[in-house]
Amino acid sequence: DAGVTQSPTHLIKTRGQQVTLRCSPKSGHDTVSWYQQALGQGPQFIFQYYEEEERQRGNFPDRFSGHQYPNYSSELNVNALLLGDSALYLCASSLGWGETQYFGPGTRLLVL
Amino acid sequence: QQQVKQSPQSLIVQKGGISIINCAYENTAFDYFPWYQQFPGKGPALLIAIRPDVSEKKEGRFTISFNKSAKQFSLHIMDSQPGDSATYFCAASRPDKLIFGTGTRLQVFP
Repeated sequence: DAGVTQSPTHLIKTRGQQVTLRCSPKSGHDTVSWYQQALGQGPQFIFQYYEEEERQRGNFPDRFSGHQYPNYSSELNVNALLLGDSALYLCASSLGWGETQYFGPGTRLLVL
Repeated sequence: QQQVKQSPQSLIVQKGGISIINCAYENTAFDYFPWYQQFPGKGPALLIAIRPDVSEKKEGRFTISFNKSAKQFSLHIMDSQPGDSATYFCAASRPDKLIFGTGTRLQVFP
């Protein structure tokens, strides 16, 4: 049973660029949430996708956007990258409104 | 209203000892309280979780104690092992998102 997978594992970008991160949920799950984890901090909720729509959003600017495909996989897009966007980006999947979320290994983004 | 406060920030325990991590929340709308374990370079892994209608839940060496009136909950790791050395996060959930604590770095020495 495949768990949550994310790609790429690492990414280096420069300020002002745009980045797309990808996530495939755990088999059988239909809900994908994205979190940002700065070094030494707990994960911060960005947004959640269900039935291809953004269901809930955290306190992140519009530079952060996402998409969910019919196969439940998801993308996180960040535009106009800032140095402060450097972090580990985590994808978590769950079933419907279930609270139990399973996390992927994350994508480490470094903005120079 | 959305905060989850976690302590201590770091914890050093001898092998075989008990590790205790505490969390407190403010928003009574939270209805699910998981604990996650995270190793360096990895994503958080669900360890154990509890609902507010239960005061204690035990799974192997891991126990959650929950005090609804005080809005506090804690993780106890019995017989701590060097392999338990990791960062532990408490969280509180409404159905749509998890609010994480700031994490506790646990080091278990032989």
